[in-house]
Amino acid sequence: NAGVTQTPKFQVLKTGQSMTLQCAQDMNHNSMYWYRQDPGMGLRLIYYSASEGTTDKGEVPNGYNVSRLNKREFSLRLESAAPSQTSVYFCASSGAGVDGYTFGSGTRLTVV
Amino acid sequence: RKEVEQDPGPFNVPEGATVAFNCTYSNSASQSFFWYRQDCRKEPKLLMSVYSSGNEDGRFTAQLNRASQYISLLIRDSKLSDSATYLCVPLSGGSYIPTFGRGTSLIVHP
Repeated sequence: NAGVTQTPKFQVLKTGQSMTLQCAQDMNHNSMYWYRQDPGMGLRLIYYSASEGTTDKGEVPNGYNVSRLNKREFSLRLESAAPSQTSVYFCASSGAGVDGYTFGSGTRLTVV
Repeated sequence: RKEVEQDPGPFNVPEGATVAFNCTYSNSASQSFFWYRQDCRKEPKLLMSVYSSGNEDGRFTAQLNRASQYISLLIRDSKLSDSATYLCVPLSGGSYIPTFGRGTSLIVHP
């Protein structure tokens, strides 16, 4: 089915380890986003990419980097994981914005 | 002032009830509005889009009040499966950065 695919679905890291969360969409959307959601909280924007070749910081970018590899793929990297980065991470994409946003199923990350 | 404000609830209603949520937004330039539904530990899914005064889809009706800067979601004949968190998302013209609040929790009980 068309949509947004995130990998991995679950991950446990030790403090200081690095990892990359992968996101791919097959809807030919221009814009892609990374959010984190902590228990009982709303979605907070980490980084976004309005179009291929551009990335911008969101509300909570510290400790993260992103790469818009091509139009389909937008990855999120944690260079040195910290327990405060334990969260559920959602990737999303949109066409022109007016048609809403499609989310991936999320990555549940625990940093110990 | 937050861009989006919603009563977090929970709204606890019996099956068959009618329930309404409001969502206020601060940016008067917002042109598009969306209601999303998020089940526990799952991704948000688009429920309805609102571009003009309102939209209706089956048991769900969304209305927009630009003068007072709020959108509402009305759910008629509530089902157990309607239990979820409902997120409203206003979108400003020219900006495609969605702003999500914490949402409103709905619990429908037998």
